Amino acid sequence: EPEVTQTPSHQVTQMGQEVILRCVPISNHLYFYWYRQILGQKVEFLVSFYNNEISEKSEIFDDQFSVERPDGSNFTLKIRSTKLEDSAMYFCASRDMSYEQYFGPGTRLTVT
Amino acid sequence: GENVEQHPSTLSVQEGDSAVIKCTYSDSASNYFPWYKQELGKRPQLIIDIRSNVGEKKDQRIAVTLNKTAKHFSLHITETQPEDSAVYFCAAKGTRNKAAGNKLTFGGGTRVLVKP
Repeated sequence: EPEVTQTPSHQVTQMGQEVILRCVPISNHLYFYWYRQILGQKVEFLVSFYNNEISEKSEIFDDQFSVERPDGSNFTLKIRSTKLEDSAMYFCASRDMSYEQYFGPGTRLTVT
Repeated sequence: GENVEQHPSTLSVQEGDSAVIKCTYSDSASNYFPWYKQELGKRPQLIIDIRSNVGEKKDQRIAVTLNKTAKHFSLHITETQPEDSAVYFCAAKGTRNKAAGNKLTFGGGTRVLVKP
């Protein structure tokens, strides 16, 4: 069964550094999402992406964040200048025309 | 925006007993309500979902009920087993902005522990 994949599984970075989190959505899916989950808390929506543009973003998704689909398979989340509070598990998700969103295994981002 | 509340935050049950988790949502336009199971350090896994045109859905030992009037939905797990131990999240999807990506708004999660 196809799955969403994400790399790396764990990223450690210093405050102020840029990070790029990578996702490969399920191949025939059209809608892509990034969510984050701070340790022990709920999953929070960051951004949705469709037809090569952002369709919705949350208040968390400020100017330090950007997303890109550089080719037909990858979907990336960039954080330009990381802060301590960006430490979280970041999940990519995708869906086709149905409602079901399938999540990747996540990237644990640790900002020191 | 949508707000989803989930209760209880923790639930301990004896193996074989039933577990019930309840969620309420605020946006009456929400039309899709999935439940995710998340084991420690793993991805959220979709286990069952329900759409607003249906009142109940069942899949083996799990079932979900939806009360649109009251804006609440519940997950029922019968004959619980130790492998049901995990964190369960409810979520809701709105419809107000069709141009938007139909984000999911999650509840706070319920940590379920099934004691052998």
